[in-house]
Amino acid sequence: EVQLEESGGGWVQPGGSLRLSCVVSGFSFTNFAMTWVRQAPGKGLEWVSSISSTSTYTYFADSLKGRFTVSRDNAKNSLYLQLNSVRDDDTAMYFCARERYEALTSSFDLWGQGVRVIVSS
Amino acid sequence: DIQMTQSPSSLSASVGDRVTITCRASQDIRNDLGWYQQQPGKAPKRLIYGASSLQSGVPSRFSGSGSGTEFTLTISDLQPEDFATYYCLQHNSYPRTFGQGTKVEIK
Repeated sequence: EVQLEESGGGWVQPGGSLRLSCVVSGFSFTNFAMTWVRQAPGKGLEWVSSISSTSTYTYFADSLKGRFTVSRDNAKNSLYLQLNSVRDDDTAMYFCARERYEALTSSFDLWGQGVRVIVSS
Repeated sequence: DIQMTQSPSSLSASVGDRVTITCRASQDIRNDLGWYQQQPGKAPKRLIYGASSLQSGVPSRFSGSGSGTEFTLTISDLQPEDFATYYCLQHNSYPRTFGQGTKVEIK
């Protein structure tokens, strides 16, 4: 069964750090770029970051550069998002998603169920 | 950055209605657009990729059209399980950008 499972969320104080993980199963992780998307409470979806299949390329939302880092360990079928210097507005549900290239374009065809991050003092 | 303007932000419709949601890109994105459905408390689900290709397993009452800067998601014969929020997302360039979302509610 194809599955993406996030973990590592929870409560963190402003200025603190947190590492989110996404473990995948059921497909060849090394063949796919991966992405993080977040959703603040009651708000819309916001793309956060993407990483290529071999980690050669990483991309971030402009508002997050310098505070978040993305990485992956293909041997462990795992994707990570390191959140540093967190702020109140980083409070959100964070989803990992697989990026699939087909029909000469890409899209996010598989999603995890999400992990909640709460930033509060 | 490419801006995605989605409309309407919400709509009320009845079971059996035909519903149309529009996304406009601030620049040409070819057909690099996907549509996603999100039920409350759930992860998003891909409906359409490449502007018009239907995700396997998604009912054929969902259809997508458009290219360049204007895109449309149409739901014909609206069903109870279709009441959700829908988002467009451009995959043409980074940063990826979502539309603001359209909440489809029961009239």
